[in-house]
Amino acid sequence: EAQVTQNPRYLITVTGKKLTVTCSQNMNHEYMSWYRQDPGLGLRQIYYSMNVEVTDKGDVPEGYKVSRKEKRNFPLILESPSPNQTSLYFCASSYPPGRLETQYFGPGTRLLVL
Amino acid sequence: QKEVEQNSGPLSVPEGAIASLNCTYSDRGSQSFFWYRQYSGKSPELIMSIYSNGDKEDGRFTAQLNKASQYVSLLIRDSQPSDSATYLCAVTRSYNTDKLIFGTGTRLQVFP
Repeated sequence: EAQVTQNPRYLITVTGKKLTVTCSQNMNHEYMSWYRQDPGLGLRQIYYSMNVEVTDKGDVPEGYKVSRKEKRNFPLILESPSPNQTSLYFCASSYPPGRLETQYFGPGTRLLVL
Repeated sequence: QKEVEQNSGPLSVPEGAIASLNCTYSDRGSQSFFWYRQYSGKSPELIMSIYSNGDKEDGRFTAQLNKASQYVSLLIRDSQPSDSATYLCAVTRSYNTDKLIFGTGTRLQVFP
C-alpha cells in the first residue's frame, strides 16, 4: 500500500529538549515536504526537498532542520523546541517534483511543547 | 493581504443541496490550483486540481477558475453528510511552482 508514515503520532515534550519526527514514504517519490498546521493560519510549509541531498526552506523554517540522506526518509529536527512550535505537523511526498497533484500527506504528528 | 483567502465558515447546507466554496488569491501569475478535503483530525486529501480558466468536473465536484478575477471555487452537488469537512484551497506561486500556499480552509456542514 502506497503511504507516507510519520512517527511519533503524538508527542509531549519540554522546552529545549531536542526531538526528531520521522517521515518515510514507500512510493519512491523524489519530492518531500514538511508542513505545520495551526488554527487560523492554515498549512504552512517548513522545508521541502526535491531529491536526495537537496533541501530548501519553506515559509516558516526558523527553529527547524531537515536532512535527506535517502530518498524514502525526510526527518524533521527540532534542536531546541519552544512552545510556539506546538502544532500539528504533516509530512508529504509527490512525484515528480512539481506534480503537486500527486502529493500524498502522512497522518500527522501532534506536538505539544511545554 | 493573505496570499490565499477563504471564508472560514461554517457553511451549512442541507443534504442534497449544492455547496459553493470560494477562494481568492493574490499572485496574478499563479498557474496551479488545488482543492483538498480535510476531515477533523485527519490529513488533507486532494480532491481536485485545475490549471486553466473554466470549469473542471469530477463526479459531484466541479472546480471553477477565473484567473482574471483571481478566483477559484469548488461546487459540490448533491451534498451528503459525509461531505462535512474543512476544504482547503491551495495555489502555487508564479515564481516557485514547487511550493503550495494554502488557505485557512472553509468548514462545510451538511445536515440531514
